[in-house]
Amino acid sequence: RKEVEQDPGPFNVPEGATVAFNCTYSNSASQSFFWYRQDCRKEPKLLMSVYSSGNEDGRFTAQLNRASQYISLLIRDSKLSDSATYLCVVRSGGSYIPTFGRGTSLIVHP
Amino acid sequence: NAGVTQTPKFQVLKTGQSMTLQCAQDMNHNSMYWYRQDPGMGLRLIYYSASEGTTDKGEVPNGYNVSRLNKREFSLRLESAAPSQTSVYFCASSEGGSNEKLFFGSGTQLSVL
Repeated sequence: RKEVEQDPGPFNVPEGATVAFNCTYSNSASQSFFWYRQDCRKEPKLLMSVYSSGNEDGRFTAQLNRASQYISLLIRDSKLSDSATYLCVVRSGGSYIPTFGRGTSLIVHP
Repeated sequence: NAGVTQTPKFQVLKTGQSMTLQCAQDMNHNSMYWYRQDPGMGLRLIYYSASEGTTDKGEVPNGYNVSRLNKREFSLRLESAAPSQTSVYFCASSEGGSNEKLFFGSGTQLSVL
């Protein structure tokens, strides 16, 4: 089982829709969680960290479920500009290595 | 503030040729990383350097070597390029320790013929 797993999609949604992605991780000792955004042929950029209590940044909400070992990203009121690949990143305790999921592709259409 | 700078942006090599990808960061970060990204495979760690003077293998180190020249610079060398090394390469840095936010360079598109 891969350490970090994501549904590759694509998720194809209309503007204004709400869409959610999950990311599962296998190492119960994982401590740090992040969502990155990657536009086509560009470098990944940090979208938001994921905190134990959940956190929100504008239209984006991230949550962590330690019992089931997954994190989620919710995007409300989708914009055309949200079209991108969303990468889940997990770091396990004591390790310097951030591990990436393969990414979930989102396409927002008019 | 340049952040993480990678060179070159594009490179075409013949099988067996060697080359070095350069990476420099100006954020005084302790940790630096080299990833490769292939279609459908996500980002895979090649090598990383937790701090100046140290380097460690990642998930896919075979065929590569690295040098952490100083705190700013972390280079990736292909001694004898193979077609399987055709990929997009990203360098990244982070403060290290408990702060793992990664900052990426713009990538190098490498083709090995």
